[in-house]
Amino acid sequence: EAGVAQSPRYKIIEKRQSVAFWCNPISGHATLYWYQQILGQGPKLLIQFQNNGVVDDSQLPKDRFSAERLKGVDSTLKIQPAKLEDSAVYLCASSLNIGLLNSPLHFGNGTRLTVT
Amino acid sequence: TQLLEQSPQFLSIQEGENLTVYCNSSSVFSSLQWYRQEPGEGPVLLVTVVTGGEVKKLKRLTFQFGDARKDSSLHITAAQPGDTGLYLCAASGNTGKLIFGQGTTLQVKP
Repeated sequence: EAGVAQSPRYKIIEKRQSVAFWCNPISGHATLYWYQQILGQGPKLLIQFQNNGVVDDSQLPKDRFSAERLKGVDSTLKIQPAKLEDSAVYLCASSLNIGLLNSPLHFGNGTRLTVT
Repeated sequence: TQLLEQSPQFLSIQEGENLTVYCNSSSVFSSLQWYRQEPGEGPVLLVTVVTGGEVKKLKRLTFQFGDARKDSSLHITAAQPGDTGLYLCAASGNTGKLIFGQGTTLQVKP
């Protein structure tokens, strides 16, 4: 099966600019996650979708970050305006459903964002 | 807030040596997972442990879940350069939210 696809792989922007990341999950996976991974740290959950509804966005900085999954398939994550501390790898993951035992997460290769 | 602490943060060893990585928390988890991440790629699931005291083996890797389901360990026997990577533990509580530790960077030198 095709894996989780993310684009772009790399992005360099200046602070205060906007940026968007795209994720195409594994076909049939109802649950989609966006994680932020700062260099040397573990991934931090930003937002979790179940189909096109938000399950958890408690750690999403809503003043600058937004995410949507309009048709319950692809998702986009946007940052506007970007700050230096947003430099990180943004990982998208999907799972068949909520409930990790029977629905392990499959990760994409991420988008590496550098804010200068 | 549920936190997972991994130790050590960095480990550099020679090929053929054994090593153990630890994942500890003050919280009880319904399940715990170990992932391996290589540079430029996303984490890949190695194993899920569910039952307190459970031991799972994956070739030269041995995973153990603590009796109280608050901690776990990963032991690698006769490490090889191909084992190099970032090892992450992750756990899920009652909400289903997956929380990651900060990771252990392993370097195995030939």
